[in-house]
Amino acid sequence: EPEVTQTPSHQVTQMGQEVILRCVPISNHLYFYWYRQILGQKVEFLVSFYNNEISEKSEIFDDQFSVERPDGSNFTLKIRSTKLEDSAMYFCASRIPRPQSPLHFGNGTRLTVT
Amino acid sequence: AQTVTQSQPEMSVQEAETVTLSCTYDTSESDYYLFWYKQPPSRQMILVIRQEAYKQQNATENRFSVNFQKAAKSFSLKISDSQLGDAAMYFCAYRSAASGGYNKLIFGAGTRLAVHP
Repeated sequence: EPEVTQTPSHQVTQMGQEVILRCVPISNHLYFYWYRQILGQKVEFLVSFYNNEISEKSEIFDDQFSVERPDGSNFTLKIRSTKLEDSAMYFCASRIPRPQSPLHFGNGTRLTVT
Repeated sequence: AQTVTQSQPEMSVQEAETVTLSCTYDTSESDYYLFWYKQPPSRQMILVIRQEAYKQQNATENRFSVNFQKAAKSFSLKISDSQLGDAAMYFCAYRSAASGGYNKLIFGAGTRLAVHP
């Protein structure tokens, strides 16, 4: 069964550094999402992306964050200047353009900011 | 704004027994979708079951079934014949069916299920 693939599985970075989290959604999916989960807490929506543009973003998704689909397969989340509070599990998800279709999640990238 | 509430932070069940996880949600919409996701210690998010709000029949997937009460805005998950591998965090989630198609999932806080042999 096709899967959403995320790399790396674990990223350690220093405060103030830029990080790029990478995702390869399932090939026929058209809607893409990033979520994050701070350890032991709720899964929070960051951003949705469709037709090469952001369709919705949360309050968390401020100017430090950006998303891109540079080559038609990868879907990236960039954090320009990481803060300690950005430490979390980041999940990429995708789905097909059918109303009832569920989100398919990747295995996540654990980001640790020191 | 829609909200999802899971009032049981933790639940436990004996192997082979049945357990029900509760979920309520708040929305003014009449058309939407509801999901249960499982998150084992590996942290992957795995779809367990889904329900379309326009369907009166409760969804069932093998040992997993839901009790969808639209008027009460309740969406509980029943796990029958519990297995050790069912131990995980379970998240209830809501998605609007309003136009846009890309609507986000809104998650509850989760219920941690322990299964005892």
